[in-house]
Parts: sequence; structure tokens; C-alpha cells
Amino acid sequence: EVQLVESGGVVVQPGGSLRLSCAASGFTFDDYTMHWVRQAPGKGLEWVSLISWDGGSTYYADSVKGRFTISRDNSKNSLYLQMNSLRTEDTALYYCAKASGTVATWGYYFDYWGQGTLVTVSS
Amino acid sequence: QAVLTQPSSLSASPGASASLTCTLRSGINVGTYRIYWYQQKPGSPPQYLLRYKSDSDKQQGSGVPSRFSGSKDASANAGILLISGLQSEDEADYYCMIWHSSGVVFGGGTKLTVL
Repeated sequence: EVQLVESGGVVVQPGGSLRLSCAASGFTFDDYTMHWVRQAPGKGLEWVSLISWDGGSTYYADSVKGRFTISRDNSKNSLYLQMNSLRTEDTALYYCAKASGTVATWGYYFDYWGQGTLVTVSS
Repeated sequence: QAVLTQPSSLSASPGASASLTCTLRSGINVGTYRIYWYQQKPGSPPQYLLRYKSDSDKQQGSGVPSRFSGSKDASANAGILLISGLQSEDEADYYCMIWHSSGVVFGGGTKLTVL
């Protein structure tokens, strides 16, 4: 059974930093591109970032570019999101999500999602 | 202007059909995109429903009933999620998604009420 379990969400002050983690199991982690998607309270989905199976390619939404860094440790079946210079508008539930295919970095849907970890940026 | 625009809400009666639209920004041709649809119920992550580009390039999500289907309206530059035979359990938020430019874009979501 595929499982994605996010952790690391807390209350942090504006300008602060935070590192989210996602522990993956039930599939061959290093075959798949992984993503972070967030959802502000009562709002819609916003894609944040992706990382290719080997970590060699990363992409970011314009809203987080230069502040967030996605990474992975395939030996630990784990995905990470380093979040710096946090803003109030970064307050959201952060999901990690698995790409549905393995051949390419792009063009797949998200077939498995975690339950999310809540990040609150507030003074 | 947002890349993908969805009506914020839609209401329909049980047993009826609901057509949820996802309009692409002017200059972005719906014909060249695969449009993905997700359903999200309160307190749960989104679930993949289906993908539609054309009748020859479409995919139904695993276990998704055939009363959920995709199409396009080229004249409106929009993707459509059609839900037929509405059931109370279909009440949820629905999001469209495309791969665009350097990443993924979601529509703002449509809250479907079945009453």
C-alpha cells in the first residue's frame, strides 16, 4: 500500500524558516518524480514544486521561487521542502504527492497524496 | 488573468447531470492540453478522476465511475467535466489541472452542491 506521510508543519513567524518532510512507502520511491502542493485554509490547490526521480531536475512555482528548496533522499525514501523567508501567504496545508508515471518528469497526474502538514506563518 | 478559471460554485439535483467548466486563459489553446480533473471532499486530499485531451487521448482514473467523463468546448476554450446521474456523494470540490510552462497549474475549483 502506497503511503505518504508529511511532517514538520508548525507555527512560525514571518521571515522564519521551516523544513517539511514526507516519508514514502509502498512503492519504489526512486522511480518517481515527487511534488509538493499546498492549500491555504478554505482555498484552492496550488502547486509548489517538483523534483525528478534522481533529484537532478527541480521546478518551482513563481510564488516560492528563490525561497523554497525541494530535495529528496532516495536512500531514506524521503522528500523534503526547505522553506525560507516565510510569509503570511505561505500559510497552508502542504501535501506531498506522487507522480503517476516513471518515464518522464512531466505530464503525469498525482495518483497518491499524503494527508498534509499544516504550516502557519503568523506573528 | 488566471491560467485556468472555474466557476466557484454549482448546484444540481440528484439524478441530474452537472457540467463543470475549466476555461483556459486567452492565448492558451485548450486543444493542445491534457486536462486533469480531481475531486476533493472536506478533510481529505484530492483524488484523481480522469484526464481528457481528445476522444483518442483520455483516461479514466482507477475505480472512477463511468458517469464521470471529460470533454472540451473548443469555442469556449474550455475543458468540461460532466457528471451524470448525480448522487449525494458527488458533493465536493472539483479542480482542473494542466501542465503549463514550467510546472503545474490548478484551476480555482468548483464547489458542487447536490440538493
